[in-house]
Amino acid sequence: KQEVTQIPAALSVPEGENLVLNCSFTDSAIYNLQWFRQDPGKGLTSLLLIQSSQREQTSGRLNASLDKSSGRSTLYIAASQPGDSATYLCAVPVGANSKLTFGKGITLSVRP
Amino acid sequence: DTGVSQDPRHKITKRGQNVTFRCDPISEHNRLYWYRQTLGQGPEFLTYFQNEAQLEKSRLLSDRFSAERPKGSFSTLEIQRTEQGDSAMYLCASSFLRQGHNSPLHFGNGTRLTVT
Repeated sequence: KQEVTQIPAALSVPEGENLVLNCSFTDSAIYNLQWFRQDPGKGLTSLLLIQSSQREQTSGRLNASLDKSSGRSTLYIAASQPGDSATYLCAVPVGANSKLTFGKGITLSVRP
Repeated sequence: DTGVSQDPRHKITKRGQNVTFRCDPISEHNRLYWYRQTLGQGPEFLTYFQNEAQLEKSRLLSDRFSAERPKGSFSTLEIQRTEQGDSAMYLCASSFLRQGHNSPLHFGNGTRLTVT
């Protein structure tokens, strides 16, 4: 059974800091990995999707990397801003095109 | 493209009552998913459809839960005889499966259910 872990559960940083959010998964036979953002009381917004054949994906100040062999992914946020404050979740599909298994998320607070 | 819509946003009900939620996916998406999320947890998979066919149901989906997608467009999730443990955010998501590849999932803002 695939398990996805995100540690720590919460993180507080000052504005402007570069930071890395970690995600680990137990079954390395994944097809892709997706990072989401969730604001309080809202649904999830897809940030980046990395296919298993890719090492990283970039979107603006966000960069996600994937190391299947070690069962890890990282989300790098450059020059953090207070508007980045949210919960960040990673998820992997159980099969090729199937349901996602989510981590519990990391709640990020960026202090002005 | 107006995104995934869910209705209602909030529902408060008494234990034992039945509730029904609706999800309207992105129009061209052929896959529709239901997830449940409790505080401090990631979303947990409940069920998903490809067009009108329900392809998988989680063991979390007890007999009191039923989901439909009658015309392959919108979907409904019904909970019968609600229990306090059903209190959660119910999230709907959609995606497009084409040539064996699934697009990223797009989520709605969810329906928050409180059972008193």
